[in-house]
Amino acid sequence: GQSLEQPSEVTAVEGAIVQINCTYQTSGFYGLSWYQQHDGGAPTFLSYNALDGLEETGRFSSFLSRSDSYGYLLLQELQMKDSASYFCAVRAVGGSQGNLIFGKGTKLSVKP
Amino acid sequence: EAGVTQFPSHSVIEKGQTVTLRCDPISGHDNLYWYRRVMGKEIKFLLHFVKESKQDESGMPNNRFLAERTGGTYSTLKVQPAELEDSGVYFCASSQDRGNTGELFFGEGSRLTVL
Repeated sequence: GQSLEQPSEVTAVEGAIVQINCTYQTSGFYGLSWYQQHDGGAPTFLSYNALDGLEETGRFSSFLSRSDSYGYLLLQELQMKDSASYFCAVRAVGGSQGNLIFGKGTKLSVKP
Repeated sequence: EAGVTQFPSHSVIEKGQTVTLRCDPISGHDNLYWYRRVMGKEIKFLLHFVKESKQDESGMPNNRFLAERTGGTYSTLKVQPAELEDSGVYFCASSQDRGNTGELFFGEGSRLTVL
């Protein structure tokens, strides 16, 4: 089957850098996505990595190593508003594009 | 531009009753998806529409769930009869392409509580 593992909780202080790791097991791989969800809100797309390496979008970066079945989301210059849950996701093998399998999510708490 | 909108935001029903959830995707998005998150579990895929056709319904849990997208615009997800284990948050998402970039636009969800 397919599965993703990510830490359940991470705590950091404002201004710091935090890395949220995601390891995955899948027989087929199309790319790794990251989503952010504030309590009670809609999951919001952050990034997508199909190839190895680092993708940077402002304060957020995402990294992928296909050989290690591993990726991470890097958040820099943390702000209080970054407190949210972060999910990694891969496309389901045999499923349609958009049929994503999500990790259980990492709850990030940013402290002043 | 309006995002994905879902209605109702919260529904409380008795076991055995029927509930219909509605999703309006972003205008022009042919692809529409339903996901749900049961308490403490992962967000799980239910099905995918391309316009009015079901492209992938591999995640539908059983025949108590019926999704429709007549006319290829808004979609409804009906649960009949509802069971306790159906409680959770039902998310709708849409995309213009077929999710090639992993980018889906999600609504805020409809929270269903079955008592």
